[in-house]
Amino acid sequence: GAVVSQHPSWVICKSGTSVKIECRSLDFQATTMFWYRQFPKQSLMLMATSNEGSKATYEQGVEKDKFLINHASLTLSTLTVTSAHPEDSSFYICSARDSIYEQYFGPGTRLTVT
Amino acid sequence: AQSVTQPDIHITVSEGASLELRCNYSYGATPYLFWYVQSPGQGLQLLLKYFSGDTLVQGIKGFEAEFKRSQSSFNLRKPSVHWSDAAEYFCAVGVSGGYNKLIFGAGTRLAVHP
Repeated sequence: GAVVSQHPSWVICKSGTSVKIECRSLDFQATTMFWYRQFPKQSLMLMATSNEGSKATYEQGVEKDKFLINHASLTLSTLTVTSAHPEDSSFYICSARDSIYEQYFGPGTRLTVT
Repeated sequence: AQSVTQPDIHITVSEGASLELRCNYSYGATPYLFWYVQSPGQGLQLLLKYFSGDTLVQGIKGFEAEFKRSQSSFNLRKPSVHWSDAAEYFCAVGVSGGYNKLIFGAGTRLAVHP
């Protein structure tokens, strides 16, 4: 089956710094990628939808200037958390959708902001 | 507004026993329904999906789910649980058609006793 990877799997950063998370579709081209946030023992909340070559669409309440999404190619999307604060600590999950609209999920990235 | 409710936060069953995980949805149009499983360190894996047709759908790992429009439910079942089934299970509804966007339930954590 299709594989989606995320890098890094775990990152610790200091408050005020920025951190970039990569999401790659390894064996298929993803027309659309999604970014989710998952708090401990809670569900996944969609943050934004990104389509290759165009601006991401953010869900209501998600700060687009804080969570920068770039979908530069059909196999790579990045999420940059800018000026991170402890409340940004969370588990970030991406998914990628292929041409027949099957959605595949990455293993997630745990972000800890100290 | 679209929503998914999973009434059971935790469920514990004995290995070999049958399992039913409940899911209720709220969506104005014909729903596209999914069940995913999340294991630690792994991405969400699709167990099964319902788009149309036969209301009883078969999935991987011996799981099945039944769509009941009158009850707005899409419960997941397995006749005999294995210890390896211990994980977090998420029900989701796809909005705007297919995999365009997924709204997830809160999840049900399944524990399996030997």
